[in-house]
Amino acid sequence: KNQVEQSPQSLIILEGKNCTLQCNYTVSPFSNLRWYKQDTGRGPVSLTIMTFSENTKSNGRYTATLDADTKQSSLHITASQLSDSASYICVVSILNDYKLSFGAGTTVTVRA
Amino acid sequence: GAVVSQHPSRVICKSGTSVKIECRSLDFQATTMFWYRQFPKKSLMLMATSNEGSKATYEQGVEKDKFLINHASLTLSTLTVTSAHPEDSSFYICSASKEGGTEAFFGQGTRLTVV
Repeated sequence: KNQVEQSPQSLIILEGKNCTLQCNYTVSPFSNLRWYKQDTGRGPVSLTIMTFSENTKSNGRYTATLDADTKQSSLHITASQLSDSASYICVVSILNDYKLSFGAGTTVTVRA
Repeated sequence: GAVVSQHPSRVICKSGTSVKIECRSLDFQATTMFWYRQFPKKSLMLMATSNEGSKATYEQGVEKDKFLINHASLTLSTLTVTSAHPEDSSFYICSASKEGGTEAFFGQGTRLTVV
């Protein structure tokens, strides 16, 4: 069964601090992995997308890593800001299949 | 990046009425769009795949007569929740991809509340 598991389920960090979110997947055959940011009551917005051959990709203060051998990914948020408070969703796509496998998301709360 | 616009962003309707939600790709053509439902603190659940000019493909357990999908053009798909009931209250999100593209672009979502 194609699954995507994220941890932690939620976390609270102080403004300016860093944090790392984890994503483990069993999706096969693998096509690509995406991280999305979803603000409350809004649709997901793409942060990064990585294919099999990519190990890391950055988007501003967001840096995603991918280990396709162990089927693990992480999203690192540097120098967090209040606006980073959101749900971060890991999404894995299957080769030659339009369907996406979604993680349940990690809710990040940044406090001043 | 590509823009997908969803309308309305929130709607409140009476039980038994029907509600239409629109999903538009503003700057690209989308032969395929997707409709998702999301419960609080849960991940997105695919409801159906909307194909331009043909019938939608529904996921198992999704009632096609209740959730009517029409993809009349390459830039517009609509989801109509017919005879809505309180249990249909949820957050509905659409997405679309460019032809041959791998990235999914999501709409802003629609918060449906049935009273």
